[in-house]
Amino acid sequence: AQSVTQPDIHITVSEGASLELRCNYSYGATPYLFWYVQSPGQGLQLLLKYFSGDTLVQGIKGFEAEFKRSQSSFNLRKPSVHWSDAAEYFCAVALSFGAGTTVTVRA
Amino acid sequence: EPEVTQTPSHQVTQMGQEVILRCVPISNHLYFYWYRQILGQKVEFLVSFYNNEISEKSEIFDDQFSVERPDGSNFTLKIRSTKLEDSAMYFCASSVGVRTDTQYFGPGTRLTVL
Repeated sequence: AQSVTQPDIHITVSEGASLELRCNYSYGATPYLFWYVQSPGQGLQLLLKYFSGDTLVQGIKGFEAEFKRSQSSFNLRKPSVHWSDAAEYFCAVALSFGAGTTVTVRA
Repeated sequence: EPEVTQTPSHQVTQMGQEVILRCVPISNHLYFYWYRQILGQKVEFLVSFYNNEISEKSEIFDDQFSVERPDGSNFTLKIRSTKLEDSAMYFCASSVGVRTDTQYFGPGTRLTVL
């Protein structure tokens, strides 16, 4: 069975600082991995996805994620956070979502 | 840019009543999905639909749920006899190809069961 764990429920980061959101998955076959962002009152927007190939994936809004099969991880990163990045972030494998990480950005 | 739309944005109903949540997927998409998100919890997959039939469903999607594509544009989720625990945000999504393809999500319908 597939499952996704996002260990951090809430992260606070200063504007301009780097951000890393952790995601670990359990999946029997080649994983299809996604990161979504959900702003308050909005639906989910795909940031990036990984199916195969280069393990470092570039997404929208300056985000990237690295697939590490040996660690069963797909962590999301952004070098410099903007106030508009405050949102909830969900990692997903196939159709299973993690519990989400809420990101707060302080000035 | 085309988008997935959902109506209503908020539905309030009495326990035991039937509700129909409506979605209009992006027009050239072939795969349709319903998810729910109970307040403060994670997004949960309910069902996927392709070629006028259910292609996959979760254990949450029991006999009280049904989906339908009644015409060429709408995709509906029916909850036959609502329970308090059905209160959640329900998201519709669509994609061009199979579930590995990018899914585009609607803004959601908040269902409140009293």
